Amino acid sequence: GQQVMQIPQYQHVQEGEDFTTYCNSSTTLSNIQWYKQRPGGHPVFLIQLVKSGEVKKQKRLTFQFGEAKKNSSLHITATQTTDVGTYFCAGLGISSGSARQLTFGSGTQLTVLP
Amino acid sequence: DVKVTQSSRYLVKRTGEKVFLECVQDMDHENMFWYRQDPGLGLRLIYFSYDVKMKEKGDIPEGYSVSREKKERFSLILESASTNQTSMYLCASRLRAGTTNSPLHFGNGTRLTVT
Repeated sequence: GQQVMQIPQYQHVQEGEDFTTYCNSSTTLSNIQWYKQRPGGHPVFLIQLVKSGEVKKQKRLTFQFGEAKKNSSLHITATQTTDVGTYFCAGLGISSGSARQLTFGSGTQLTVLP
Repeated sequence: DVKVTQSSRYLVKRTGEKVFLECVQDMDHENMFWYRQDPGLGLRLIYFSYDVKMKEKGDIPEGYSVSREKKERFSLILESASTNQTSMYLCASRLRAGTTNSPLHFGNGTRLTVT
């Protein structure tokens, strides 16, 4: 079945440093979503990418979808302590019917040291 | 704002017990999901439902069943709890499936411990 690999599993950065997490799918995706889970919280939707090569920005966060629609990245510029949490990508396969469900990556847990 | 409510935040059960996890959403969403979250494994789909009385197996349905008698409520059932079912369980809902795939809205989670 479809697999979504996400790296790194953990990342510690000093406040002000940049951070990037990467997702790779074993199959071509219809679209990809990104979620953030704060410590003790639940995943919250950040953004969805649909088009090949798409780049979207949310303030200091930049999301990219690969040309082949098999990989994606989230880059945070100048991290702040409010960025702490686990970031998940979730890919939607292109097959039809009920098999079209999101497959989540294992997440990247970001720690920001003040 | 969408609200997805899970009935218990923490639950402790004994091996062999039948366990019910309840989830209610208030935005008339068609689709509902149950995931379990374990360190290093991300979120794994147990069961989902496209509509009332419909259910489909996810990636790890063994040892679980579900019930959706009403549109707003989706229950996860552990027929005979085992220690390997100790985990965080997350319920989610979304408006409906479609080409662009509307986002998932998650509940706060139920941390289940089976002893």
